[in-house]
Amino acid sequence: EVQLVQSGAEVKKPGESLKISCKGSGYSFTSYWIGWVRQMPGKGLEWMGIIYPGDSDTRYSPSFQGQVTISADKSISTAYLQWSSLKASDTAMYYCVKAPTAMVEADYWGQGTLVTVSS
Amino acid sequence: QSALTQPPSASGSPGQSVTISCTGTSSDVGGYNYVSWYQQHPGKAPKLMIYEVSKRPSGVPDRFSGSKSGNTASLTVSGLQAEDEADYYCSSYAGSNNFGVFGTGTKVTVL
Repeated sequence: EVQLVQSGAEVKKPGESLKISCKGSGYSFTSYWIGWVRQMPGKGLEWMGIIYPGDSDTRYSPSFQGQVTISADKSISTAYLQWSSLKASDTAMYYCVKAPTAMVEADYWGQGTLVTVSS
Repeated sequence: QSALTQPPSASGSPGQSVTISCTGTSSDVGGYNYVSWYQQHPGKAPKLMIYEVSKRPSGVPDRFSGSKSGNTASLTVSGLQAEDEADYYCSSYAGSNNFGVFGTGTKVTVL
């Protein structure tokens, strides 16, 4: 059974750094893309970027380029999304997804990680 | 990259059909056959319902169907059931430079 298990909710202050994780199981982690999707409170979905853990090929949506960093550690089947300096506007639910190709179609979703940034 | 345009809401009685549109441009919906649809119940993660315009993943009822004409994709839910009440989002690949874009979302209500 394919599973994507994300790390728990986080409460941070503006300016702090953060790295959240997504562990894949039940499939060949290095053979499929892992993407990240943001959903701000009461709002719609937004593609952030994707990574191919097999060779770390990473692509970002123009809106998120330079704002976050996506990485993966294939030895532990885990992908990461990180911020170096959080803003209040980063408050959102973040989902990791498994995608068969780089064409951003997500066939499995993680449970989501709620990130709250508040002073 | 602007979000794809969906109607904010749609509704139907049990057993009826509802169709949701998803309008983009020739740079996304019209340019690629990588349109997907997702169902999201309140407080839950989205679920893939349709991929590559009209293909259904295993386990998705055949009441759900997808199509595309020009720059507009559509999701049709036939034989509406109470559990179909949810938010629905379309998504399209938009090329290597613009990546991917979601629709604005449609809330489906079963009357």
